[in-house]
Amino acid sequence: GAGVSQSPRYKVAKRGQDVALRCDPISGHVSLFWYQQALGQGPEFLTYFQNEAQLDKSGLPSDRFFAERPEGSVSTLKIQRTQQEDSAVYLCASSSAVGEQYFGPGTRLTVT
Amino acid sequence: DAKTTQPPSMDCAEGRAANLPCNHSTISGNEYVYWYRQIHSQGPQYIIHGLKNNETNEMASLIITEDRKSSTLILPHATLRDTAVYYCIVRVAGYNDYKLSFGAGTTVTVRA
Repeated sequence: GAGVSQSPRYKVAKRGQDVALRCDPISGHVSLFWYQQALGQGPEFLTYFQNEAQLDKSGLPSDRFFAERPEGSVSTLKIQRTQQEDSAVYLCASSSAVGEQYFGPGTRLTVT
Repeated sequence: DAKTTQPPSMDCAEGRAANLPCNHSTISGNEYVYWYRQIHSQGPQYIIHGLKNNETNEMASLIITEDRKSSTLILPHATLRDTAVYYCIVRVAGYNDYKLSFGAGTTVTVRA
């Protein structure tokens, strides 16, 4: 069956531009997660949705980061006024209520 | 504060068993041990998890010591495609505990 998909796979943005990263979770998965992975490090939690409700956004590094999941399916992570330190791979994962998390391939963001 | 300790890297020979250690001396009674791996340029992939009994699936075996302070992931017949970063994670497997805290993991290189 279809897994988690993310688009675009690669994004280059000039410093100060806004970007939007999309995640299509596995159909029927209630939970959706965003992680940020800097080069050479493990993924770090950003935010968590249960259906359309954003229950935890404690990992978002600044108020320039915003995530939404308006219909409880597709999610978008938006970064406003990108900075060089935002360069990373952004991973999306989904799971059933208590199941394992299934990850997408990630979006590699490079801010120049 | 890291909940698990893993060696930063290890090599193993193709066709041989790979034994990946993990220390989790502060694990709580309701915390499970999870293993994920991340092949280069891909998202993390769930491997296996366990509470206190040894577990086996089509990918690997998980051996947890009786005091639950450490565990070993065993890849019974390593192939070149098993080259990846392996993450040992402890978490409560339940509805309200959802974050995965990855740490640095062990970079496993399988050599022909």
